[in-house]
Order: sequence, then C-alpha cells, then structure tokens
Amino acid sequence: SQTIHQWPATLVQPVGSPLSLECTVEGTSNPNLYWYRQAAGRGLQLLFYSVGIGQISSEVPQNLSASRPQDRQFILSSKKLLLSDSGFYLCAWRTEGAANEKLFFGSGTQLSVL
Amino acid sequence: QKEVEQDPGPLSVPEGAIVSLNCTYSNSAFQYFMWYRQYSRKGPELLMYTYSSGNKEDGRFTAQVDKSSKYISLFIRDSQPSDSATYLCAMSPGGSYIPTFGRGTSLIVHP
Repeated sequence: SQTIHQWPATLVQPVGSPLSLECTVEGTSNPNLYWYRQAAGRGLQLLFYSVGIGQISSEVPQNLSASRPQDRQFILSSKKLLLSDSGFYLCAWRTEGAANEKLFFGSGTQLSVL
Repeated sequence: QKEVEQDPGPLSVPEGAIVSLNCTYSNSAFQYFMWYRQYSRKGPELLMYTYSSGNKEDGRFTAQVDKSSKYISLFIRDSQPSDSATYLCAMSPGGSYIPTFGRGTSLIVHP
C-alpha cells in the first residue's frame, strides 16, 4: 500500500533562517506531488506541484522554492524565512494519469517563524 | 464569486444528530468530487470520492452530488464526538492536476 511521510511535525525557526521540509512517498511510481500551505482558519493554498523529476510548477511566487530530486521525494525550501511563512505545510500525492483524482495528504508540518 | 463555496461554520450539533455539510460550485466541468476530514493539526483524510451525480454511502457517511444545481453534500448519521473536525470538499474536472478545495466547515459534536 502507498504511504506518505512528511517531517518534521513541528518546527520553530527564527526570521531569516533557511528552511527545508521533506516529503517522501512509498508504494507508487511517478506520482504527482504537491505542497500546500494552510494558514489558521483559512483554506488550502497550493504552493507547488510536480508531475515528474525536476518538473516544478509554482502557483504562488514568493521566497519559497521546491525541488524533486527523486521520483518519490519532494522538498520545500527557503533561503530566508519571513514571519508570513508561518503556517501548516502539507505534502500530498496523486497517482499519475487521468481519472485518478484522489489526493492523499501527509501529516503536515506546523512551522512557526519568530 | 469563488469557484467553490463552503460555509466555514462552526456547526455545533448534539451527539446522535444527522449532520449535513454542503458545498456549491460554479464550474460545470467538475466531475469528480471528494470530501476530506481534517482533525486539528493533522493532514486531511479522504472520506468520500464520487464521480458525476448521485449518492454514495459508506457506513454513517453519505455523499450526494447534484450537478444540475452545482451542489454537493455530505451527510453524517448518528454523529459522534469523534466526528468533530473540519470537513473540506474538493472537486476536479478530470484530467487536471489540481483539484479545487472549499475552505472547510468546522463541525463540533457535543456529548
């Protein structure tokens, strides 16, 4: 069966520090991968998605970036965090191909930038 | 007008009540509809997945899609305190990489 791992669960970082969040998926090949951010009391904001290794689409231009160095690995990064980067970050995956619309989420990372 | 509208609540009900959660949408191309349950500080969990119009039942949960009215519902029978969570609807036209999510409805089931 497929599983998604996301870590860390909680992170407290000072303003201006770098960020690296990692997500890996097991039990599937060539998944579509996603990074979302969820601010308190607000909906899901799509940040990046990837349909293959090295292929990244950005939905919201900002000081975050994403990379997909391996088929089942998706990384969210920042060189210098801002206060506004605080939020709940979610990684998700979907089976590649049409008519496979189910999106599965990881457990999330609560990021607090102080 | 947002593509998907969902009342944020909170919706507070007594244990054992029948709960109705709803979303409306404007894009008539949507064909795939999903409901997610999200507990506080956890990732959303897929509850129901339906294609096109009609009903789908899974235990205490029933998902209903009315494409003519662009309206979807999730019914929870015999609600339990453990059902207290935020429920998000999501939908897609198919062949798209990105589903569209509602903002979620907060449900509180009190004993």
